[in-house]
Amino acid sequence: GAVVSQHPSWVICKSGTSVKIECRSLDFQATTMFWYRQFPKQSLMLMATSNEGSKATYEQGVEKDKFLINHASLTLSTLTVTSAHPEDSSFYICSAKEITSGNTEAFFGQGTRLTVV
Amino acid sequence: SQQGEEDPQALSIQEGENATMNCSYKTSINNLQWYRQNSGRGLVHLILIRSNEREKHSGRLRVTLDTSKKSSSLLITASRAADTASYFCATAESFLGGSYIPTFGRGTSLIVHP
Repeated sequence: GAVVSQHPSWVICKSGTSVKIECRSLDFQATTMFWYRQFPKQSLMLMATSNEGSKATYEQGVEKDKFLINHASLTLSTLTVTSAHPEDSSFYICSAKEITSGNTEAFFGQGTRLTVV
Repeated sequence: SQQGEEDPQALSIQEGENATMNCSYKTSINNLQWYRQNSGRGLVHLILIRSNEREKHSGRLRVTLDTSKKSSSLLITASRAADTASYFCATAESFLGGSYIPTFGRGTSLIVHP
């Protein structure tokens, strides 16, 4: 099946610094990638939808200036958590949808655990 | 808003028993996927069922889909302690011009006692 690689799998950073998380589709092209956030024992909450070559669409309540998303190519999207604070500590997961017409399967990365100290 | 809602929220069974989890959704979907997540880990894709399918099998997993009731069930037969995890359903719903966004329910926490 299609593989989505997320990097890093975990990161610890100091409060006030920025962290970049990469999401790559390894063996397929993805016009659309999705970024999710998961708090402990909670479901995944969609943060934003990222389309290659255009601005991301953010869900209500998600600060676009804090969570910068760049989808520069058909195989790479990045999420940058700017000026991170302890409350940003969470599990971030990306998924990518294949470009194939009519195929609506989305494949997920393994997630990135961010801890802000 | 969340699309899929799993039921029950928590399920505790003995090894060897069957575990059934249900998922209900609200809008029309193109497909529904079930995922497993072990504590603190990423998602593992279990099975995808499309709207024109009623039942699919994969090993000890059986998934059904009833589009008239907007519900799906995941059955794990002969459960093992290693099946202990949270199980989520994700639906691909329509979004602005035909794109599909997978949205998740809260999940069912399954504990299988050895």
